[in-house]
Amino acid sequence: KQEVTQIPAALSVPEGENLVLNCSFTDSAIYNLQWFRQDPGKGLTSLLLIQSSQREQTSGRLNASLDKSSGRSTLYIAASQPGDSATYLCAVRPNDYKLSFGAGTTVTVRA
Amino acid sequence: DAGVIQSPRHEVTEMGQEVTLRCKPISGHDYLFWYRQTMMRGLELLIYFNNNVPIDDSGMPEDRFSAKMPNASFSTLKIQPSEPRDSAVYFCASSAGLAGLSHYNEQFFGPGTRLTVL
Repeated sequence: KQEVTQIPAALSVPEGENLVLNCSFTDSAIYNLQWFRQDPGKGLTSLLLIQSSQREQTSGRLNASLDKSSGRSTLYIAASQPGDSATYLCAVRPNDYKLSFGAGTTVTVRA
Repeated sequence: DAGVIQSPRHEVTEMGQEVTLRCKPISGHDYLFWYRQTMMRGLELLIYFNNNVPIDDSGMPEDRFSAKMPNASFSTLKIQPSEPRDSAVYFCASSAGLAGLSHYNEQFFGPGTRLTVL
């Protein structure tokens, strides 16, 4: 059974600092990995999807890397802003469509 | 596109009542997923459909839960009878499973239905 772990569970940084969020998974036989953002009381917003054949994906200030063999992905957020405060979730997908989610990292960016 | 639409956004009901949650996926998406989120268990996949056909319902907790997808633009998740332990946020998500399409395989979530069973 795929286990997805996100460390740390919570992170607080001053505005402008770069954020590094970690995700690890136990089964490297994945099809893709997706990063989401969830604001309190809201749904999940897809940030980036990395196919298993890719090493990284970038969107604006966000960059996600994938090392499938070691079972790790990292989400980098450059020059953090208070609006980046949210919970960030990673989810891995095996060959079927059943996403396995981590518990998330709750980020607070202090102005 | 308006994204995935769910209704109602909030539902408060009494134990033993029937609850029906509704979802409209993004137009053109051929996969639809129902998830449940709780503090204790996080996000769990309940069931998913491909082209309106249920593919995997192994996450459905018990027979009180059922889901249907009568057409490509509508799905329901029903709980009958409801119990307090069913209280959670229920999300619907959809994705395009055809290679070559924009955002291929990326799952897009609706805003969720917050269910409270008293």
